[in-house]
Amino acid sequence: QSVLTQPPSVSAAPGQKVTISCSGTSSNIGNNYISWYQQLPETAPKLLIYENDKRPSGIPDRFSGSKSGTSATLGITGLQTGDEADYYCGTWDSGLSAVVFGTGTKVTVL
Amino acid sequence: QVQLQESGPGLVKPSQTLSLTCTVSGDSISSSGYYWSWIRQHPGKGLEWIGYIYYNGRTYYNPSLKSRLTILVDTSNNRFSLKLTSVTAADTAVYHCARAGTVTRRFDPWGQGTLVTVSS
Repeated sequence: QSVLTQPPSVSAAPGQKVTISCSGTSSNIGNNYISWYQQLPETAPKLLIYENDKRPSGIPDRFSGSKSGTSATLGITGLQTGDEADYYCGTWDSGLSAVVFGTGTKVTVL
Repeated sequence: QVQLQESGPGLVKPSQTLSLTCTVSGDSISSSGYYWSWIRQHPGKGLEWIGYIYYNGRTYYNPSLKSRLTILVDTSNNRFSLKLTSVTAADTAVYHCARAGTVTRRFDPWGQGTLVTVSS
């Protein structure tokens, strides 16, 4: 069950910036860390952002994360064709006692 | 470098039990601080958390699957497993295993995933 809401798709030209929102509640985003994952076509998801705004080693600083209240945002600057992928947010939901993921957002580079 | 690899049958008949194993290399499954996880993705759909297990055997299951689900850990062979009973076509999905932090619950790394089809 996807209790975190993301826009189905976003797009921009190469070099531009996109932002992806992830909306939840106080049971999930509001009181827990959020992570973001990138899933390139036909591959497994890969961690992009953890603890709301931290990048694992090897992830370029073009990717950024933020959280405010019950919403989180992933930003991608300097968009590249290799960034075309599906992006998911994820966190713990204290009310459901379950990990929950967002509905997913497809990024298209025009 | 930590790597996870799923293995198991790619085809399961309806009403039978789906069984998968995830073998971990590059890290000890007995390491504190990590949950060992299963996540699935229905064809063309989003991610669904199945559950995870700590090295001491403590489990956390998705409430929607709990009645059919068993996750076990085998510390001797550095692997963990998934059993899902009474499967239907709705259980057809790519099944991934992944390591998750106990505090941040970030999933990293992920196995490549294995497609399991439920069909007679």
